[in-house]
Amino acid sequence: QKEVEQNSGPLSVPEGAIASLNCTYSDRVSQSFFWYRQYSGKSPELIMSIYSNGDKEDGRFTAQLNKASQYVSLLIRDSQPSDSATYLCAVSGYGKLTFGQGTILTVHP
Amino acid sequence: NAGVTQTPKFRILKIGQSMTLQCTQDMNHNYMYWYRQDPGMGLKLIYYSVGAGITDKGEVPNGYNVSRSTTEDFPLRLELAAPSQTSVYFCASSQKGLAGGKLNEQFFGPGTRLTVL
Repeated sequence: QKEVEQNSGPLSVPEGAIASLNCTYSDRVSQSFFWYRQYSGKSPELIMSIYSNGDKEDGRFTAQLNKASQYVSLLIRDSQPSDSATYLCAVSGYGKLTFGQGTILTVHP
Repeated sequence: NAGVTQTPKFRILKIGQSMTLQCTQDMNHNYMYWYRQDPGMGLKLIYYSVGAGITDKGEVPNGYNVSRSTTEDFPLRLELAAPSQTSVYFCASSQKGLAGGKLNEQFFGPGTRLTVL
């Protein structure tokens, strides 16, 4: 089983819809959870971090964490074509950050 | 602040050649990291450093070496380049390590695209 697993996608949603990105992790001692956005040919950019169970909202983005189920998700409300990118889930544990393989999101007009 | 800078942006190497990828950060971060990203994949940790003079191996260290003589700089050395090292290399830094909390957020440089032929 991969340490951090994401839906590989691609995920395609219409403009204005909610995009839901999911991530599961295998290490129960993981403490910090991150979502990075990566445009094609660019470096990852941190968009959300979450450290405790529940929801965390920042503008159109909501991160959800459930440590009992070892599950973290990212919701993007009112999706825009500019949200089209690869979204990387990253989980910390034992002094290192482990990334999922990423989910490609396409928002079409 | 420039953040994390990397040079060069692109490089083509022949098999067996060596090179150094440069990484500099101006945020006074203690922690620095080197990742590689292969097409369609996530990032894999090569080496990391928790401060000047201290480095440790990540997930995929074979074929690479690092040094950390200053807080700002963390160069990655490739010896005897192989086609398997064709990848995009990202350097990152964070104020703290990964014990939890906001200060462990990692900031990435723009990357170096390396091709070994």
